[in-house]
Amino acid sequence: EAGVVQSPRYKIIEKKQPVAFWCNPISGHNTLYWYLQNLGQGPELLIRYENEEAVDDSQLPKDRFSAERLKGVDSTLKIQPAELGDSAVYLCASSFDSGSAYNEQFFGPGTRLTVL
Amino acid sequence: DQQVKQNSPSLSVQEGRISILNCDYTNSMFDYFLWYKKYPAEGPTFLISISSIKDKNEDGRFTVFLNKSAKHLSLHIVPSQPGDSAVYFCAASASGTYKYIFGTGTRLKVLA
Repeated sequence: EAGVVQSPRYKIIEKKQPVAFWCNPISGHNTLYWYLQNLGQGPELLIRYENEEAVDDSQLPKDRFSAERLKGVDSTLKIQPAELGDSAVYLCASSFDSGSAYNEQFFGPGTRLTVL
Repeated sequence: DQQVKQNSPSLSVQEGRISILNCDYTNSMFDYFLWYKKYPAEGPTFLISISSIKDKNEDGRFTVFLNKSAKHLSLHIVPSQPGDSAVYFCAASASGTYKYIFGTGTRLKVLA
């Protein structure tokens, strides 16, 4: 079974430029998460989708960040414009809602963003 | 405010010995705890979990202990192997939130 796929793996951009990250979750996983991981820190949740609906975007900086999951499968996270402080690893994860209070999250390899 | 803390950024252990990684939390609503392992250039992978109704969960060489009164959990790896060298993240969740709060990680190095 294929895992969570993310692209690109690495991205270097100039500040003020836009950037987009793509995620393809594990087949059948209806819940998708985007996390931000700064150097030396643990992942922090940016947004959680259940199917097409963003059910928790309280940590997403909405002035410059946006996300979509139009058909309830793939998702895109965008930053516009990027700032120096956005340099980090952006992780995508997915899980299957089994009705349990806890659903194991499977992570992709992440996209390492460097803003110059 | 760091709700999940891993106070040891790094740990070195000889191959064959026990590795003990520690994690403290502050939120009493947390009732599910996990350990993830991360190799360089890869995403975190699930290792082991424990519910607050238990105080121990074992899976092969990996055992997680939970002390609710102290709000402390630990991961024991016995025996440690060089392939265990990675960054280990502790995470906690409150029932129904589907949100994991991660610690800052501990880099384990197992010396051959």
